[in-house]
Amino acid sequence: LAKTTQPISMDSYEGQEVNITCSHNNIATNDYITWYQQFPSQGPRFIIQGYKTKVTNEVASLFIPADRKSSTLSLPRVSLSDTAVYYCLVALGLHDMRFGAGTRLTVKP
Amino acid sequence: DTGVSQDPRHKITKRGQNVTFRCDPISEHNRLYWYRQTLGQGPEFLTYFQNEAQLEKSRLLSDRFSAERPKGSFSTLEIQRTEQGDSAMYLCASSLVGDNQNIQYFGAGTRLSVL
Repeated sequence: LAKTTQPISMDSYEGQEVNITCSHNNIATNDYITWYQQFPSQGPRFIIQGYKTKVTNEVASLFIPADRKSSTLSLPRVSLSDTAVYYCLVALGLHDMRFGAGTRLTVKP
Repeated sequence: DTGVSQDPRHKITKRGQNVTFRCDPISEHNRLYWYRQTLGQGPEFLTYFQNEAQLEKSRLLSDRFSAERPKGSFSTLEIQRTEQGDSAMYLCASSLVGDNQNIQYFGAGTRLSVL
């Protein structure tokens, strides 16, 4: 399984765009990149998934360069409620999704 | 609400007691997973089922842990002779085979405190 590296923590202010980058140098050809969000005392929540280029949904955008060795989760105009831990995972439909420690995002007023 | 239900939400027990947790996955999902999460860490994989078959168990799943999914629907996770180190959040997730991207949907978890 490809190991991922992401910042331990990030701070932002309400209304700003937040970009969280994840490195996955050993990503395999068939691996997908998935991001989850987790609030305290809740289970992780699926945000977005992609394979290459750019994916956008109502919550976020995911940018994946051509070499796929990294990916960037972009959260537009964050609010206080976006304060959470964000996990980047790389796997091909494998049962044992490997979560790292994630990135703790704190949005300040 | 993801559609994955876990019961109970909180469990306090004394060391040495047995506990059982239940997970009800999204109805059409045939894969079901159990994870454990401790404070400040990401979820750690424990085991998973496809329908009623338990296909993989992590080394984290000691002999005191057992999971079942008897009819391929709900699942139970039992911990026997609990230890203080078992205190954690136990998360259940489900997904649909055929979705090779394996998007897992998580329940809210059961928080276990062993005194």
